[in-house]
Amino acid sequence: AQSVTQLGSHVSVSEGALVLLRCNYSSSVPPYLFWYVQYPNQGLQLLLKYTSAATLVKGINGFEAEFKKSETSFHLTKPSAHMSDAAEYFCAVSEDYGQNFVFGPGTRLSVLP
Amino acid sequence: GAVVSQHPSRVICKSGTSVKIECRSLDFQATTMFWYRQFPKKSLMLMATSNEGSKATYEQGVEKDKFLINHASLTLSTLTVTSAHPEDSSFYICSAPETRDLFGPGTRLTVL
Repeated sequence: AQSVTQLGSHVSVSEGALVLLRCNYSSSVPPYLFWYVQYPNQGLQLLLKYTSAATLVKGINGFEAEFKKSETSFHLTKPSAHMSDAAEYFCAVSEDYGQNFVFGPGTRLSVLP
Repeated sequence: GAVVSQHPSRVICKSGTSVKIECRSLDFQATTMFWYRQFPKKSLMLMATSNEGSKATYEQGVEKDKFLINHASLTLSTLTVTSAHPEDSSFYICSAPETRDLFGPGTRLTVL
């Protein structure tokens, strides 16, 4: 069975600081991994996805994530936080691409001026 | 590119009424769609898998008679929340693997 954990339900960073959002997964088969961002009262926007190609995945808005099989992790990073990055971030796993997503509980990112 | 649209984007209804949510595939044919639910300030959970021309497959704990799913054509899947109650208030999102973002824009249901 698949599962996703996100360490830290709420993360605060200063504007310009490094953003690190943690995601660990459990999967019985090589997984597909995703990061989504959700702004208040809006839908999901795909930031990036891992589909077994390069382990370092670059996404939109300056975000990237690295797939580490040995650590079963897929942490999301951004070198310099912007105020507009404040949102809820969800990590998700799918054993069969795009089907039966299992989402993590989410991490709310606050960016302080 | 291939996207899914949802209608309505937002709906408010009285307790006891039924609400239909549509998920349409644009520029592609979707044999399978997935329906997810997001409670306020919570994560998303898979409710059911909708298959064109056959019965939907529901996840454990999801009431089939309350959440009716119909996938009568390759471009339309519908979710009907029957006899809605305030606890059914949620964000409902459909998903199709063929699309870039994999999820539709969602429908926010508020039951008074």
